[in-house]
Amino acid sequence: QVQLQQSGAELVKPGSSVKISCKASGYTFTSYDMHWIKQQPGNGLEWIGWIYPGNGNTKYNQKFNGKATLTADKSSSTAYMQLSSLTSEDSAVYFCARGGYGSYTWFAYWGQGTLVTVSS
Amino acid sequence: DTVLTQSPALAVSPGERVSISCRASEGVNSYMHWYQQKPGQQPKLLIYKASNLASGVPARFSGSGSGTDFTLTIDPVEADDTATYFCQQSWNDRTFGGGTKLELK
Repeated sequence: QVQLQQSGAELVKPGSSVKISCKASGYTFTSYDMHWIKQQPGNGLEWIGWIYPGNGNTKYNQKFNGKATLTADKSSSTAYMQLSSLTSEDSAVYFCARGGYGSYTWFAYWGQGTLVTVSS
Repeated sequence: DTVLTQSPALAVSPGERVSISCRASEGVNSYMHWYQQKPGQQPKLLIYKASNLASGVPARFSGSGSGTDFTLTIDPVEADDTATYFCQQSWNDRTFGGGTKLELK
């Protein structure tokens, strides 16, 4: 069965960077987009972008250009998101979610979420 | 960006029928999807492509609409349906609605 296992909670200082992971299993990692979604406490969901592990192609929500960098390691079936120049506005739960086959797809599979807290 | 607008909250009694609406700022074809999220959990797919029931989701949930106006219906509502419901479009990149918090009376 498809599983997405995310890394644990992070407490990081303002101005620093953090890299969180999403390990995939139960399917061919290189055949599906991996998306990342942000959820601030009490707020809605915000799409950050996707990476296609098969060739490393990425697409970002313009709002996250320069903030988020998506990468993928085919050898370990793991997707990563690095967030840089962190501020309190980056404190949130971040989810990875697998796209479907092809374009215009939805998210049938989600990771459990990674809480990032930015505080001095 | 395609903006999705949902009403913020609804309250219904168990056994009733509830409809949750989502309006898109531009047409999204049929690429509207619905999720249920309970506190501390990841979202769960309920409906994909406007009207298709996701695997394992009870038939009490249904979706309709096309273009810019979409509806998620729960009939009948059960106590376990207390949650926040989000719409999401995938026609123009990806965006989510602000969510509708469903409370039971």
